[in-house]
Amino acid sequence: GAVVSQHPSWVICKSGTSVKIECRSLDFQATTMFWYRQFPKQSLMLMATSNEGSKATYEQGVEKDKFLINHASLTLSTLTVTSAHPEDSSFYICSARGLAHSYEQYFGPGTRLTVT
Amino acid sequence: GQQLNQSPQSMFIQEGEDVSMNCTSSSIFNTWLWYKQDPGEGPVLLIALYKAGELTSNGRLTAQFGITRKDSFLNISASIPSDVGIYFCAGRPNAGNNRKLIWGLGTSLAVNP
Repeated sequence: GAVVSQHPSWVICKSGTSVKIECRSLDFQATTMFWYRQFPKQSLMLMATSNEGSKATYEQGVEKDKFLINHASLTLSTLTVTSAHPEDSSFYICSARGLAHSYEQYFGPGTRLTVT
Repeated sequence: GQQLNQSPQSMFIQEGEDVSMNCTSSSIFNTWLWYKQDPGEGPVLLIALYKAGELTSNGRLTAQFGITRKDSFLNISASIPSDVGIYFCAGRPNAGNNRKLIWGLGTSLAVNP
């Protein structure tokens, strides 16, 4: 149980384009989803927290207009990187937490974004 | 942002050896979680701890919630090559916005067969 999928697993895009990443909880309802960014050999950096049906809460320094988050249902959250630039290249990982899981977060497999 | 002190930063051991790593915080935590991350993958939850003094095992892994509520450790017994990866601790602080987790910087484990 507590399986989270992420799509795509990797994507290459040109500068200036937008990329959408999907995060789905497959076998539970995720009341809260989190989006993280991870640089090589570093820890996870929380970007934003989203609750179903409400606006996401962004961490300090994360541009909400650049990283659009939508949590439209209890099983799906999306992260859209708008007008991507090479410095947005990174490993993006989502996690989900359901009511039954207390404060445990279950992670997706991650999405490797490369902006050329 | 706030981070946990996780040590050691890296370990290189022989197969069969036991491993110990820990996380400490300057403030009280209500929850401690231990994750393992393989290269190019998302972290996988290993053990969750919710009470001070709690000792929980998952196969060869054992983790404890420190009685001061400011630390936690993870032990791996009789290591095997597939234990290779990065281990992260994460905690939920007692104070502040405690919906989100605070993360350690990770312990990179290498096992020599």
